[in-house]
Amino acid sequence: QSVLTQPPSASGTPGQRVSISCSGSSSNIGSNFVYWYQQLPGTAPKVLIYRNNQRPSGVPDRFSGSKSGTSASLAISGLRSEDEADYYCAAWDDSLRGVVFGGGTKLTVL
Amino acid sequence: EVQLVESGGGLVKPGGSLRLSCAVSGFTFSLYHMNWVRQAPGKGLEWVSSISSNNDYIYYTDSVKGRFTISRDNAKNSLYLQMNSLRAEDTAVYYCARALEPHNWFDPWGRGTLVTVSS
Repeated sequence: QSVLTQPPSASGTPGQRVSISCSGSSSNIGSNFVYWYQQLPGTAPKVLIYRNNQRPSGVPDRFSGSKSGTSASLAISGLRSEDEADYYCAAWDDSLRGVVFGGGTKLTVL
Repeated sequence: EVQLVESGGGLVKPGGSLRLSCAVSGFTFSLYHMNWVRQAPGKGLEWVSSISSNNDYIYYTDSVKGRFTISRDNAKNSLYLQMNSLRAEDTAVYYCARALEPHNWFDPWGRGTLVTVSS
């Protein structure tokens, strides 16, 4: 059972907009930044969003992050087949004194 | 080019020990916090441990406290994870990752090294 809660799966057709939620608590998302990681099949994870809603250079602006209270979400617009991957949210947890990840959401592009 | 290369994984019996290494290049290692993150087969990511740039702060996930020890050698541009009293549930790919902020923003990640704990 992960500290951060994500839906196990999401799907969409090419060109659609999909959103992935991440729910936490006051000790993690509620008081710290949220980060999103993308893991393509058979590869190491890569950062997609840092500090709730910032994109590293090289990440397309189709990817956006937001946070409100103890929840966060990742939105992907103009869905493409290469976006098919696992997506993880993460945050520091003040009570656990460690980084907590969501269980991951497998995105399928239909 | 920034690179992180893990090594030291393999098959070990329950109760055994293993030492993982992560050799880095392409950046000033001594300036960054470093982390180990693992992924059990077919499962999600689990943060394992972090160490600050100058060893001031070290953190572990509860399930490895007392069994795993993170360390670094800034002169050798290397990160380590000493794993003792290994259990079947420690079976995973272990990634090392640079932290661009003290407690997150892992970028980049290494390709990982597989640790299998089995009799």
